[in-house]
Amino acid sequence: AQTVTQSQPEMSVQEAETVTLSCTYDTSESDYYLFWYKQPPSRQMILVIRQEAYKQQNATENRFSVNFQKAAKSFSLKISDSQLGDAAMYFCACLAQKLVFGQGTRLTINP
Amino acid sequence: EPEVTQTPSHQVTQMGQEVILRCVPISNHLYFYWYRQILGQKVEFLVSFYNNEISEKSEIFDDQFSVERPDGSNFTLKIRSTKLEDSAMYFCASIRSRSGRWDTQYFGPGTRLTVL
Repeated sequence: AQTVTQSQPEMSVQEAETVTLSCTYDTSESDYYLFWYKQPPSRQMILVIRQEAYKQQNATENRFSVNFQKAAKSFSLKISDSQLGDAAMYFCACLAQKLVFGQGTRLTINP
Repeated sequence: EPEVTQTPSHQVTQMGQEVILRCVPISNHLYFYWYRQILGQKVEFLVSFYNNEISEKSEIFDDQFSVERPDGSNFTLKIRSTKLEDSAMYFCASIRSRSGRWDTQYFGPGTRLTVL
């Protein structure tokens, strides 16, 4: 079975600071992709960043980067220089046999 | 930039009524999906669709649900007899890949379904 676990229901950070959201996953597949999606109050799902499991190099997208630890099955998201517009629910997801989402982490940005 | 679109943005219906949720995937995409998110819960896979047939479906996708690609652009989800527990956000997604896997899924803005 494929599972994704986000152990932090809520996180908060001061504007301009750095925050890390945690995610662990489990899959029996050797090939898979990992994603972080952002869901603002509008509830649209917006892709933030993706990581191919076969790549050792951590993905980076502007202020967003991941720490992919394949052996530990860990996939954390780091947001640098947090902005008010980053406030949202963040979902970690694993695509192996199908796309499976974690429970989400609500991120609050304090001005 | 091309986007997945969904209509309506909000649908209110009475229990027992049929609803059709509509999606227009990105034009050159080949694989289509429906997901559901009950308020406060995680996003759950419902069904995937490729080459005019269901590729995979979850336990949630029972006989009350059906999907269709009636023309070259629309992709619909029909719920025949809605129940209170069908109230949720429904997301459509599409990917370009023929394999159905190794590609980023692009999501539409969602349709909020409220069953009274």
